[in-house]
Amino acid sequence: DAKTTQPTSMDCAEGRAANLPCNHSTISGNEYVYWYRQIHSQGPQYIIHGLKNNETNEMASLIITEDRKSSTLILPHATLRDTAVYYCIVRDGAQKLVFGQGTRLTINP
Amino acid sequence: GAVVSQHPSRVICKSGTSVKIECRSLDFQATTMFWYRQFPKQSLMLMATSNEGSKATYEQGVEKDKFLINHASLTLSTLTVTSAHPEDSSFYICSARDLDRGGSPLHFGNGTRLTVT
Repeated sequence: DAKTTQPTSMDCAEGRAANLPCNHSTISGNEYVYWYRQIHSQGPQYIIHGLKNNETNEMASLIITEDRKSSTLILPHATLRDTAVYYCIVRDGAQKLVFGQGTRLTINP
Repeated sequence: GAVVSQHPSRVICKSGTSVKIECRSLDFQATTMFWYRQFPKQSLMLMATSNEGSKATYEQGVEKDKFLINHASLTLSTLTVTSAHPEDSSFYICSARDLDRGGSPLHFGNGTRLTVT
C-alpha cells in the first residue's frame, strides 16, 4: 500500500508557483521522499527526491518538514506543460516503488 | 541523465498469441528492474521485480506463468505476456535503478501500450 496521502486534484494559473502537498506521517528514518510526474500516455518522469534537507534542482524545489511527516513540491513558474499527475512516494534504497493515486495538476492559461 | 528504453511503444496482437516487451538501461547497469501495469485512469501497479541472474519476484495476484520475466544481463529485462487475452490490454511500464546507490531514483521507460483483439 502507498504510504502517502495527496490531494486528488489541484489547479494553478500559468506563471504562478504550484505547491503540491504530500503527507507521509509513517515515514521511517531511512526512507527518502521521491516525486515523479506522469504526462498522459508516457512513463513517469523523475522530478526530485530528498531525505531530510530541502532540495532544489532545475525542475522544482522540495520542502520537507522538520519532523519529515509531510513535504511540498514547488514548481516555481508553472507552464501548461506542467499539467500532469504528480506522485509523491516514500521508499528506502532497497524497496520497490509503490505508487498511490497522485495529484492531478492542471495549469490554466 | 539515466535513460531507460522500452520497446515496442505500441503493439496490437490477437488473442492467444504472446508478446515480448524489452526494457533496456542505456547508460547504466541495473541489477534490478521493475515492471508495472497501468489501466486507464488508474495509478501504476507493480507487477514484478526483475533480478539479474535470478528469478523474478512477483506481486500478489500476478501470474508468473502468464507474465514471464527474464533479466539476462545488467542492461536488459524482458516481459513476455503469454497467451494474451483482451483483459491483458494495458499500459506496461518498466523501470530501473543504477546499481543501488543509496537513495538513487528509479528511471522509467516510456511504456508499451498493448492491445489484445
